[in-house]
Amino acid sequence: DQQVKQNSPSLSVQEGRISILNCDYTNSMFDYFLWYKKYPAEGPTFLISISSIKDKNEDGRFTVFLNKSAKHLSLHIVPSQPGDSAVYFCAASGDNNNDMRFGAGTRLTVKP
Amino acid sequence: EAGVVQSPRYKIIEKKQPVAFWCNPISGHNTLYWYRQNLGQGPELLIRYENEEAVDDSQLPKDRFSAERLKGVDSTLKIQPAELGDSAVYLCASSKILRHVFFGPGTRLTVL
Repeated sequence: DQQVKQNSPSLSVQEGRISILNCDYTNSMFDYFLWYKKYPAEGPTFLISISSIKDKNEDGRFTVFLNKSAKHLSLHIVPSQPGDSAVYFCAASGDNNNDMRFGAGTRLTVKP
Repeated sequence: EAGVVQSPRYKIIEKKQPVAFWCNPISGHNTLYWYRQNLGQGPELLIRYENEEAVDDSQLPKDRFSAERLKGVDSTLKIQPAELGDSAVYLCASSKILRHVFFGPGTRLTVL
């Protein structure tokens, strides 16, 4: 039962353009959402998060949008840089607990 | 501040052999997690500790997997005997604040 889904396994964008990574979830009890970034041979590192009481959170070049009615969130990276090339995981948790559910990840490639 | 430390980074064993992974969390982090990440998928929680107590081990295959966290600091995850399907990356993570989870680099296990 995959409660968090990232339907695009890969995404390729040109340097300087916008990258949009999407994530859908099925469990309406989720109230906190996170994006992690993972480079090869390293563990996932926290990137940005959003609580269900908000619909947008911004941190520098990274913005996460949450659409609760559609159970959908997206990560926007503007402008994209070659160093952003990595696998991005969407994660969700609920009921004020630490049990996060992860999507399968999207591999982003930013071409110079 | 040192991150989550895991060893070994890579392990190759034959099926039916035992294997153990070690994790040292970030200092002061009371919550420790073990995740398993299969190829092309996101991390899946195996067990979560609050200090010395395993508070969520519902996803741990208890017939062959065991874990311990003595003194509420370091933790060891063991598989005995290993099966081909256990090949994966085993991630240790820790947190001090709810939902602020930091991952280690992982141990890549290959079972032949």
